[in-house]
Parts: sequence; structure tokens; C-alpha cells
Amino acid sequence: AQTVTQSQPEMSVQEAETVTLSCTYDTSESDYYLFWYKQPPSRQMILVIRQEAYKQQNATENRFSVNFQKAAKSFSLKISDSQLGDAAMYFCAYRSVSGTYKYIFGTGTRLKVLA
Amino acid sequence: NAGVTQTPKFRILKIGQSMTLQCTQDMNHNYMYWYRQDPGMGLKLIYYSVGAGITDKGEVPNGYNVSRSTTEDFPLRLELAAPSQTSVYFCASRRTGGYSNQPQHFGDGTRLSIL
Repeated sequence: AQTVTQSQPEMSVQEAETVTLSCTYDTSESDYYLFWYKQPPSRQMILVIRQEAYKQQNATENRFSVNFQKAAKSFSLKISDSQLGDAAMYFCAYRSVSGTYKYIFGTGTRLKVLA
Repeated sequence: NAGVTQTPKFRILKIGQSMTLQCTQDMNHNYMYWYRQDPGMGLKLIYYSVGAGITDKGEVPNGYNVSRSTTEDFPLRLELAAPSQTSVYFCASRRTGGYSNQPQHFGDGTRLSIL
């Protein structure tokens, strides 16, 4: 069975600086999708960025980018120029390409942004 | 465009009571999911559906039932509420049919307390 591990329960970053959130996963599959979701205090789950495992190029969305290391099964999220609005819980998620349609979520990392 | 709508947003139940959490989406998504999120934890899949008339169990289905009579609606029923079911419940949907890398769209959640 697949697992997703987020080893940092909480992180802090100074406004305008850069922070990296870690995520590792375990799978025997060769093709899959990885996602980072943001959950602000409003509780809504918001997609931040996604990565297809077959793509070697790391995904980028404005200030958000990932470092996808397939061999190491690592999928970290880098937030550049951190803003107060980035404060939230961040969840890493895995999904198989085929077979089941289930998502596997990590336990989350709470990001605090300091003014 | 409303997206995924969950009702109610908050509810307090007594032990042994039953209730239905409503979820509806207006994006014509085939795949729908119910998750629960316990404090400080990630999302655990309760049930999911790949289309009208088709449902399947997730990681933590015990104590819950679902139905999917239409594409739009995916209600979650608690028959005999127990304190262990105190949680925040999220409904999500996802586009399919050649868009397998599409992320889930989440509702705003239902905070349920069983006393």
C-alpha cells in the first residue's frame, strides 16, 4: 500500500523569505500523480501544485515550485517570497494513475508566516 | 459556478442519532469522495464513487453509508452516531475521461460533533 509522510508538523518563515516543506512517499508503482494542497483556517482545501511522475521537469506555479526526486520518492514544496496569506496547513497527496481512484494524504505541515 | 457544496456547515448530534451530510456538485464530475479529517491529521477516505450508481469503500467506511443516485449528489449517512465520528467531513469531486491528472475540488467541510 502507498503511504505519504510529512515529517514536519510545523514550520515558520519570515515574510518575503523562502521555505521548503518536505514530503516523502512509498509506492511500488512507476506512474502516479503528486499534489500539494493548502488548507487555510477557512478549512477549504485548495490545490497549490501538481506533478505527474512521468515528467522529469519540476512543476512551477508562480511562487510555488516542487523538487521532485522520483528515485528518492521525495516531493518537496518550495514557497518563495512568502506572504502572510501563505499561512495554512499544507498537505501532500498521492494518487495512482490506474486501478484505484483513491488519494493518499499526508498528515500535514502547519506553516506560520512571521511579519 | 458553485463548485462543491456541502450542508450543513456545523452540526451537533447526540450519541445514537442519525443524520445525512449532503454534498452536491455542479461541474458534471463523475468521481466523488467523502473524507474525514481528525484534529492534526490528514484526510482519510470514507467512501468514493466513480459514477451514478457506483460506490466503494475507502479506508474508514465503518459506521457510514453512501448512495449515488445522480451525478450531482453524493450524500453521506451516519446511522448510529458515535463520539469517534466527531470530525470535519469533506466532500470532493474530480473530472475524469482523459483528464486523469485533474485535482479534486473540495467543499468547505462539515464540522460534526457527537456528544
